[in-house]
Amino acid sequence: GAVVSQHPSWVICKSGTSVKIECRSLDFQATTMFWYRQFPKQSLMLMATSNEGSKATYEQGVEKDKFLINHASLTLSTLTVTSAHPEDSSFYICSARGSGLAGGYEQYFGPGTRLTVT
Amino acid sequence: AQSVTQLGSHVSVSEGALVLLRCNYSSSVPPYLFWYVQYPNQGLQLLLKYTTGATLVKGINGFEAEFKKSETSFHLTKPSAHMSDAAEYFCAVSPSGTYKYIFGTGTRLKVLA
Repeated sequence: GAVVSQHPSWVICKSGTSVKIECRSLDFQATTMFWYRQFPKQSLMLMATSNEGSKATYEQGVEKDKFLINHASLTLSTLTVTSAHPEDSSFYICSARGSGLAGGYEQYFGPGTRLTVT
Repeated sequence: AQSVTQLGSHVSVSEGALVLLRCNYSSSVPPYLFWYVQYPNQGLQLLLKYTTGATLVKGINGFEAEFKKSETSFHLTKPSAHMSDAAEYFCAVSPSGTYKYIFGTGTRLKVLA
């Protein structure tokens, strides 16, 4: 149980275009979803936290107009990288927590999405 | 601000040898503690976690970790390394009262034949 999927697993886009990444909780309702960014050989950096039906809370230094997050349902959150540039190339990982799972404090991670901007 | 320190960005052990990956956190209140493993181009897989109760926690693949409050540590161990253990390992803490995770910088484990 507690499976999180991401789609696509990898994507290549041209500079200036936008790309959307989906994060789904497959077998539980995700009260909160988190979006992380991971640079090569580095740790995960939390970008934003989103709760279903409300605006995402962005971490300091993350451009909310560039990284649009929508958490429209209890099983789906999307991250849209707008006007992507090569420096946005990274590995994006989402996670989710469910209020009824493991006390609600454990996050379940998706497999990640590799974004390459050319 | 809370922080997580993983000593040693790279650790090499021989196959069959003890694995010890270190994790220290800064917090006056014991947080929830986690160890994750990440294989190349994959997401994170939970190895084990500590919330309350027994301070020695057993996880998957023969790993275990001990929460030591006095040392603010949560080191990960495995008695005998296997080639398949080669991966990146992340320690994470979830401070009391928040659902966020703070990750350590990671330790890349290399297992030598």
